[in-house]
Amino acid sequence: IAGITQAPTSQILAAGRRMTLRCTQDMRHNAMYWYRQDLGLGLRLIHYSNTAGTTGKGEVPDGYSVSRANTDDFPLTLASAVPSQTSVYFCASSDQGGAGTGELFFGEGSRLTVL
Amino acid sequence: TQLLEQSPQFLSIQEGENLTVYCNSSSVFSSLQWYRQEPGEGPVLLVTVVTGGEVKKLKRLTFQFGDARKDSSLHITAAQPGDTGLYLCAGAKGTYKYIFGTGTRLKVLA
Repeated sequence: IAGITQAPTSQILAAGRRMTLRCTQDMRHNAMYWYRQDLGLGLRLIHYSNTAGTTGKGEVPDGYSVSRANTDDFPLTLASAVPSQTSVYFCASSDQGGAGTGELFFGEGSRLTVL
Repeated sequence: TQLLEQSPQFLSIQEGENLTVYCNSSSVFSSLQWYRQEPGEGPVLLVTVVTGGEVKKLKRLTFQFGDARKDSSLHITAAQPGDTGLYLCAGAKGTYKYIFGTGTRLKVLA
């Protein structure tokens, strides 16, 4: 069972370059999420999607964009990468849960370094 | 400013000791979850609490949701080296928006 697949696992990127982090799930979950994880700050929500065709902004959306063309895929794009976007990025999905009780299933993360 | 603050940020204890981790906010959440994360992996759900004042036990772990649904605590009894990891609380704002806390890194020494 694959669950959440993220790619690439790790990437070094020059500042100013465009980068897309890929995320695919095979659990048919409605909701998907992108988080970034930095030391001392836990996980911060970048963007989320309740269902295919809709997206929403999280806590730190600036400099990032997402799309949700279908249920399975939720790519995260950095249009022009900056060093402050160096982080570990986690994609997650959740099943339908009332009042936010759905369990989040995470990928193994994509480590991005912007020089 | 983080919506959910966890304390302590780091904790190193001996095997067999008890500990409590706190997750505090000024916001009300519809539910509160606790996750544990191992190095190189994504977080994994431990528990979900929904009702104010709710207490849930998972073997040696006890989770409590504050009466006002703004805070939570995780208590571990007789900690073991296998409990080592990063513990994260997450509050739900509505049905789909999950906000995570700052994390508590626990190390249990044998």
